Amino acid sequence: EVQLLESGGDLVQPGGSLRLSCAASGFTFSNFAMTWVRQAPGKGLEWVSAISGNGRSTYYPDSVKGRFTISRDNSKNTLSLQMNSLRAEDTAIYFCTKVPTGGTYYYMDVWGRGTTVTVSS
Amino acid sequence: EIVLTQSPATLSLSPGERATLSCRASQSINNYLAWYQQKPGQAPRLLIYDASNRATDIPARFSGSGSGTDFTLTISSLEPEDFAVYYCQQRGNWPLTFGGGTKVEIK
Repeated sequence: EVQLLESGGDLVQPGGSLRLSCAASGFTFSNFAMTWVRQAPGKGLEWVSAISGNGRSTYYPDSVKGRFTISRDNSKNTLSLQMNSLRAEDTAIYFCTKVPTGGTYYYMDVWGRGTTVTVSS
Repeated sequence: EIVLTQSPATLSLSPGERATLSCRASQSINNYLAWYQQKPGQAPRLLIYDASNRATDIPARFSGSGSGTDFTLTISSLEPEDFAVYYCQQRGNWPLTFGGGTKVEIK
């Protein structure tokens, strides 16, 4: 069974940093691109970052570019999101998602349950 | 950035009725559109990809159509478990973007 398990969510002060992790199982991790998608309380979905299966290509929206870094360790089947200079508007549930290709196109065919990040003083 | 506009915001229907949801893109995205279903307290689930292809294990009552800028998700006969929020997402251009969602509620 394909599974994604996020961890690392916490309460952090504005300007602080946090690192999220996603443990993947049930599939050949290195063959598939991955993304992070977030959902602010009571709001819709927002794509946050993406990385190809081999890790060579990364993508970000302007809202997080320069502050967030996505990475992966294919030897440990783990996806990470380093978040710096956090703002109140980064408060959300962060979902780890699997993409059905290595990076030729990006949909999200498997989702984790999410981890909650709260940015507040 | 490609903006996806979903309508209506809320759809009030009874079980057994047909649901028609719309997603309009601010510029052409060919058929590079997906639909997701999200129930309260759960992660989204992929329903349809590339406008009209059902994802694995998705019932046949869900169908998608459209190309260019106008897309439709149709649920032919609503089951109790279909009442949820539905989002569209485009992969035609970076950044990936989602629509604002349509809530299908019980009338």
